[in-house]
Amino acid sequence: AQSVTQLGSHVSVSEGALVLLRCNYSSSVPPYLFWYVQYPNQGLQLLLKYTSAATLVKGINGFEAEFKKSETSFHLTKPSAHMSDAAEYFCAVSVVTGNQFYFGTGTSLTVIP
Amino acid sequence: DSGVTQTPKHLITATGQRVTLRCSPRSGDLSVYWYQQSLDQGLQFLIQYYNGEERAKGNILERFSAQQFPDLHSELNLSSLELGDSALYFCASSPGDRNTEAFFGQGTRLTVV
Repeated sequence: AQSVTQLGSHVSVSEGALVLLRCNYSSSVPPYLFWYVQYPNQGLQLLLKYTSAATLVKGINGFEAEFKKSETSFHLTKPSAHMSDAAEYFCAVSVVTGNQFYFGTGTSLTVIP
Repeated sequence: DSGVTQTPKHLITATGQRVTLRCSPRSGDLSVYWYQQSLDQGLQFLIQYYNGEERAKGNILERFSAQQFPDLHSELNLSSLELGDSALYFCASSPGDRNTEAFFGQGTRLTVV
């Protein structure tokens, strides 16, 4: 079975500061990993995905994530936070033999001016 | 715009009633997934259809059912509604029957009063 743990349900950063959102996964087979962003009253938008190619994945809006198998982690980072980054972020895992995403509980990012 | 269309955007109904949520997948996508997002349960996978056939089932209640039609649109039927069914219901689509990537609609917000 697969699962995802997002550490920190709320993260606050200052505008221009580093954004780090943590995600650890559990999977008995090689995983696919995803980060989605949800703005208020919106659906989920794919930020980036890891599907067993390069371990450092670059996504939209300046975000990137690194797959670390030894740490079972897939943390999301952005060098410099922007006010427009304020949203809910979800990490998700699936597997090539599976049919569904398993989502974390989400991290709400607040950007302080 | 993900290309996935969900209707209606909002729905308010009374306990005991039955509602139907509709989803049109992205052009060319054969899989449709339904998810429920609530404050206490997070994002929960309900069910997947691939090219008209049920492919995977998650935490879907017996009062809920879904189907995918020949034109690939899908409907989620919720019956004998309870207050606890109030949630945001998302539809997602993907090209194949494996979850290598999914595109989410804007969701239908269901309020049961």
